[in-house]
Amino acid sequence: GNSVTQMEGPVTLSEEAFLTINCTYTATGYPSLFWYVQYPGEGLQLLLKATKADDKGSNKGFEATYRKETTSFHLEKGSVQVSDSAVYFCALISGGSNYKLTFGKGTLLTVNP
Amino acid sequence: NAGVTQTPKFQVLKTGQSMTLQCAQDMNHEYMSWYRQDPGMGLRLIHYSVGAGITDQGEVPNGYNVSRSTTEDFPLRLLSAAPSQTSVYFCASRIYGNTEAFFGQGTRLTVV
Repeated sequence: GNSVTQMEGPVTLSEEAFLTINCTYTATGYPSLFWYVQYPGEGLQLLLKATKADDKGSNKGFEATYRKETTSFHLEKGSVQVSDSAVYFCALISGGSNYKLTFGKGTLLTVNP
Repeated sequence: NAGVTQTPKFQVLKTGQSMTLQCAQDMNHEYMSWYRQDPGMGLRLIHYSVGAGITDQGEVPNGYNVSRSTTEDFPLRLLSAAPSQTSVYFCASRIYGNTEAFFGQGTRLTVV
C-alpha cells in the first residue's frame, strides 16, 4: 500500500534560518505529491503540489521537487519567518489506491524571533 | 465562497452517547472524506465517499457510520461514543482523481 514518511519533529529554528523537512514515499501507480500546512487551531491548507516527476511546486517561498528516483518530496524554504510556525504534512494521492489521500505524521515547526 | 463547512467546532460527549458531525461543501466535489487527527499519528482516514450513494471504509472505521444522500453533505455518526474517540475530526472534499483536497476547520471532540 501507499505510505509517506516525513522527518519527525519538532523542529525549532531562528528567524531567517534555512528550512528542510524531509519526505519520502512509497506508492503504486503515479502519485501526485502535496505539502499541507496547519496553522494553530485551523484546518489543513494546501501549500504546494507536484503531479509528475521533476515537477517543482512552490508557494510563499516554500519549494519542493518531485524526485521519482529517490521517491522524495522534501520541503525547503530559504529564510523562515515567525509566521511560518505550523505543522507541515506531506501527502500523496495515487490512482492505485482508489485516489485515497495518504498523509505523513506531520512535522511541527516553531520559528523564534 | 464557503468551501467546506463543519459543525460543531467543539463538542463534549459522555461515554455511550451518540452524535452526528456535520460536513457540507458547496464546490460540487464528488469525493468527500473524514479524518481524525491524533498527536503523533497524523491524519487517519475514517470513511470516504466517491459520490452520492457510495461510501467506503478507511483505515479506522470502527465506531463510525456515514451516509451520502446528496453531493453536498457527508455526515459522520458516532454510534456510542468512547473515550478513544476523543480527537480532532476533519472533513475534506475534492474532485475525484489526483487533485488536492479542501479541508474544513475541524471539530474538536472530547468524550468523557
